[in-house]
Amino acid sequence: EADIYQTPRYLVIGTGKKITLECSQTMGHDKMYWYQQDPGMELHLIHYSYGVNSTEKGDLSSESTVSRIRTEHFPLTLESARPSHTSQYLCASSLTEQFFGPGTRLTVL
Amino acid sequence: QKEVEQNSGPLSVPEGAIASLNCTYSDRGSQSFFWYRQYSGKSPELIMSIYSNGDKEDGRFTAQLNKASQYVSLLIRDSQPSDSATYLCAVLGGGSQGNLIFGKGTKLSVKP
Repeated sequence: EADIYQTPRYLVIGTGKKITLECSQTMGHDKMYWYQQDPGMELHLIHYSYGVNSTEKGDLSSESTVSRIRTEHFPLTLESARPSHTSQYLCASSLTEQFFGPGTRLTVL
Repeated sequence: QKEVEQNSGPLSVPEGAIASLNCTYSDRGSQSFFWYRQYSGKSPELIMSIYSNGDKEDGRFTAQLNKASQYVSLLIRDSQPSDSATYLCAVLGGGSQGNLIFGKGTKLSVKP
C-alpha cells in the first residue's frame, strides 16, 4: 500500500545530541516537504525538495539540514539538538495533492 | 507575500447542524485548493480538494470555490462530535512549481 512513513514517532534526547528524523514514501512522489508545528500552532515549512539532489529552505528558518539522495527518502538532521528544537516534525509528499506522514514528536531536554 | 486567511475560531456548532468554514486567499493565480482536518496531536489529513468554481460534494462534506472573490469554503452537514478538529485551508499557487500555502486553521467544536 502506498504510504508515507516517519521514524521515530517519539524521541526524547539530551541537548547537544545529533539526530536524524527519517521520512520515506512509497507513492513515487517527486516533491517532499518538512514542516514544524508546535501544539495548537500553525504549520511552518522548513525544507522542501522537488526531486533527487534538490533541496531548498522553507519559509521558517531552521538549524536543521536535509538530503535527497533517493526519491523515496528525505531525512532531516539536527547536528546539535537544543531545547528550542522541541516540536512536532511532519513530513509530506505530493504530486498535486499533498499527504502527510504521522509525524515525529521531538523533545530535547 | 501570498496569504491564506481563516478565522481561528473556535467555531462551536450543535450535533446535527451544518458547520461552515471559510477561507480567503491573496494569490489570484491560485489553481488548486484543499481542506485538511487535523485532530489534536495528529498530522493533517486531506479531506477535500477543489480545482474549479462551484461546489464539490463528498459525503457530508461540500467544498465551494469562488475564484472571482478569492474565497473557498467547507460545509460539513450533520456535524458529529467526531468532526471536532482543526480544519486547515491550503492553496497551491499558479505555475508548474510552488508549495502549498496553509492557513492557520479554524478549530471546530461539535457539541453533543
